[in-house]
Amino acid sequence: EDQVTQSPEALRLQEGESSSLNCSYTVSGLRGLFWYRQDPGKGPEFLFTLYSAGEEKEKERLKATLTKKESFLHITAPKPEDSATYLCAVRSVDYKLSFGAGTTVTVRA
Amino acid sequence: SAVISQKPSRDICQRGTSLTIQCQVDSQVTMMFWYRQQPGQSLTLIATANQGSEATYESGFVIDKFPISRPNLTFSTLTVSNMSPEDSSIYLCSVGEGMTTEAFFGQGTRLTVV
Repeated sequence: EDQVTQSPEALRLQEGESSSLNCSYTVSGLRGLFWYRQDPGKGPEFLFTLYSAGEEKEKERLKATLTKKESFLHITAPKPEDSATYLCAVRSVDYKLSFGAGTTVTVRA
Repeated sequence: SAVISQKPSRDICQRGTSLTIQCQVDSQVTMMFWYRQQPGQSLTLIATANQGSEATYESGFVIDKFPISRPNLTFSTLTVSNMSPEDSSIYLCSVGEGMTTEAFFGQGTRLTVV
């Protein structure tokens, strides 16, 4: 069974304090790893797709990387507007998405 | 990316009643998905809805409890039947253009059963 584990569960940062979120996965044949941002009361917003180890994607202050067993979401010099829950999901050979429980990031000004 | 509209955005319902959630997409899509997100937990796939065929349900979810319609390539409904407080969750509609591409989500329906 596919498993996605995200850590830490919660992360409190000072504005400008860079950090990383971890997503460890066990999947039968990775068909893509996805990062989403979810704000309270809203649906997940797509951020990145990664397909193979060594791949990296960047968007503003966010950078996602992928290895054979885990992915990292790096937040560089975060701002309060980066506060959200970040979800990691993997798609396996049956093409279904399995989600982690998420990391809730709070950035204080 | 597809724009997905869900209605209602939230509702408070009495136990034993049913609620139908609508999902409208601004473009034609082959596959639509329904997820449940219970308080403090991650997303769990309820079923996959393809136009012209019966929905495929995941383990733990049954058609009698969560009937789904998919009348065309831009619309789907999920009904939560005979509700109990345990059904209080956020229900999300999702679409994906391809088997390996990203999925996009509606804003969700927050359901509270009292």
